[in-house]
Amino acid sequence: ELKVEQNPLFLSMQEGKNYTIYCNYSTTSDRLYWYRQDPGKSLESLFVLLSNGAVKQEGRLMASLDTKARLSTLHITAAVHDLSATYFCAVEETSGSRLTFGEGTQLTVNP
Amino acid sequence: DAMVIQNPRYQVTQFGKPVTLSCSQTLNHNVMYWYQQKSSQAPKLLFHYYDKDFNNEADTPDNFQSRRPNTSFCFLDIRSPGLGDAAMYLCATSSLIFSGGAHNEQFFGPGTRLTVL
Repeated sequence: ELKVEQNPLFLSMQEGKNYTIYCNYSTTSDRLYWYRQDPGKSLESLFVLLSNGAVKQEGRLMASLDTKARLSTLHITAAVHDLSATYFCAVEETSGSRLTFGEGTQLTVNP
Repeated sequence: DAMVIQNPRYQVTQFGKPVTLSCSQTLNHNVMYWYQQKSSQAPKLLFHYYDKDFNNEADTPDNFQSRRPNTSFCFLDIRSPGLGDAAMYLCATSSLIFSGGAHNEQFFGPGTRLTVL
């Protein structure tokens, strides 16, 4: 059974600081997704990572995938309040039709 | 714009009174999913349709049923809602083709928040 763990689950940071969210998973996969969720809202797709060494950047967020270590990171650079949300990673099973989500990281960026 | 639409956005029902949630998509995706998300938890997959093939998760209660009458629409039926079924219900779609380079990015609708009184 595929297990996905995120770390930390709660993150409070100041504006302007950098931080990294980690996503570890238990079985072989080379497809990983990051989603953002604002309170009371649905999931918004942020990044699609499809191979070992994949790196994607959008604004202050950068995601990477190391399939050998079974690890993805979501790096936040110079955080701003608008980044406050819950971030989920989701790993695609090799069978292709299901995603397994991590528990989510609730990020709060304080002025 | 191509999108995933869910109706209603908010649904209030009484304990034990059947309720149906609706999802439609204009993306022409072949896979449709229903997730249940409770407060401060990750989305939990209930079931999905790959074209017309229904795939139920092993731990989805019998109280939850689904129908997909055509490519565009999918319904979630809760036969006898209990207080524990109050949650956000998310519909998602993906275009899954088993060929080289295919992947399963899922696109989510806005969700239906279900309240059970």
